[in-house]
Formats: sequence, C-alpha cells, structure tokens
Amino acid sequence: GQQLNQSPQSMFIQEGEDVSMNCTSSSIFNTWLWYKQDPGEGPVLLIALYKAGELTSNGRLTAQFGITRKDSFLNISASIPSDVGIYFCAGRNSGGSNYKLTFGKGTLLTVNP
Amino acid sequence: DAGVTQSPTHLIKTRGQHVTLRCSPISGHKSVSWYQQVLGQGPQFIFQYYEKEERGRGNFPDRFSARQFPNYSSELNVNALLLGDSALYLCASSLRGFGDTQYFGPGTRLTVL
Repeated sequence: GQQLNQSPQSMFIQEGEDVSMNCTSSSIFNTWLWYKQDPGEGPVLLIALYKAGELTSNGRLTAQFGITRKDSFLNISASIPSDVGIYFCAGRNSGGSNYKLTFGKGTLLTVNP
Repeated sequence: DAGVTQSPTHLIKTRGQHVTLRCSPISGHKSVSWYQQVLGQGPQFIFQYYEKEERGRGNFPDRFSARQFPNYSSELNVNALLLGDSALYLCASSLRGFGDTQYFGPGTRLTVL
C-alpha cells in the first residue's frame, strides 16, 4: 500500500537540541497529522493541520502544512528524554466515503540525556 | 473514561489458522478503523466501519474481513494465516469517522509461525 516519504529514518541527538523531520507525498492531502508511538502503544496524535500553509504549535512542537499540500514538517525544540519514540506523519483526504489515514514509515528519535 | 481497548494483547498462531481480534471503541464513538503495522513500517489501512456499515477497505486480500456490532465494538478476522500476516493490528475509534480525530488502541501483536 501507499506510504508517505518520511525523513530522516532515525535521529540520535543530545538533550536540549532541536529536531526537524519532514514528510512528502506524490499526491495531495486535505489534512496532515503527526503522531508519536511509544513501544507497546498505539500512535498518539500530536498535531493536526487542516489548511495549506498553516503553522501550528503544541508546546515545544511546531508543524506546518506545505503550500503544495504534498508535504509537512515537524519541529521539536529543546528536546528532552521523554521525546524518545517513533514519530509518524499521516495524510488524510475528506473526499469519498472513508477517511483513511496514509502513514509515513516513521522517524525513530533517540535523545541522549 | 476508558480509551480504545483491544484484545488479546498478544497472539501466536500457525500458518493456515484463523484469528479473530477484538476492539472496543471509546464510549460514544461510532466509527472504528483497523490498521496493520508491520515491524519497521507505518500503519496500513485495512477497514473502516461506521454505524455497522463498511465505509472503506484498504488493499488487503479477501482473507481479511471485519464487522461492527450494535454496541459499536468490532472484530477483525483473518483466515488462512500467512507468515507475512505477523504484525501489530491497531484499532482506532472516532466519533463519526467523517474526518474527526482517530484515537488508537494499544494494538494486538500477532505472530504467525
């Protein structure tokens, strides 16, 4: 099935550093979402973006919906150890009869205290 | 309030067997979606149900089937298991499924030997 192109695949950073990851698609989405998944858990929604060009923050997290509607990025500022996990982007369209999410392959973030 | 619950947590089956996975959505939510997450990949959409009707189906073979009950809980059935069916199966619930937030359960880890 289709998956979005998410990069980088993994990151190893020091506590306090900023992090940036992005996601691209060959097709347009009406909504971009960023999730975090911890081991043994399901994905948890971090940020939802609904309009091209939109920039949204949630605490130390900031995400943007690309103006082409084919990309999005997520920034994490001043990383802390609990930021460790896998971050997924997901795109969604509101047309048709279902609202399935199409996910990227994830970015594994490791934070060194 | 309880979140999305899934059972069982872990399951080991052998090739050719059949499996049933169960999901209870958040109270008040009427839509359930199922995703397959293979190790190292993002979740892949399998089915979406709303008000007991199938609203969408991903690119999975007919060995995969699902249904939603009057209390909005759901079952995912997989027949004639293959080694490649080994994955984390995630259930997500949402109020109506019309583009509203999907909340994921912790998943069922299926291992096919």
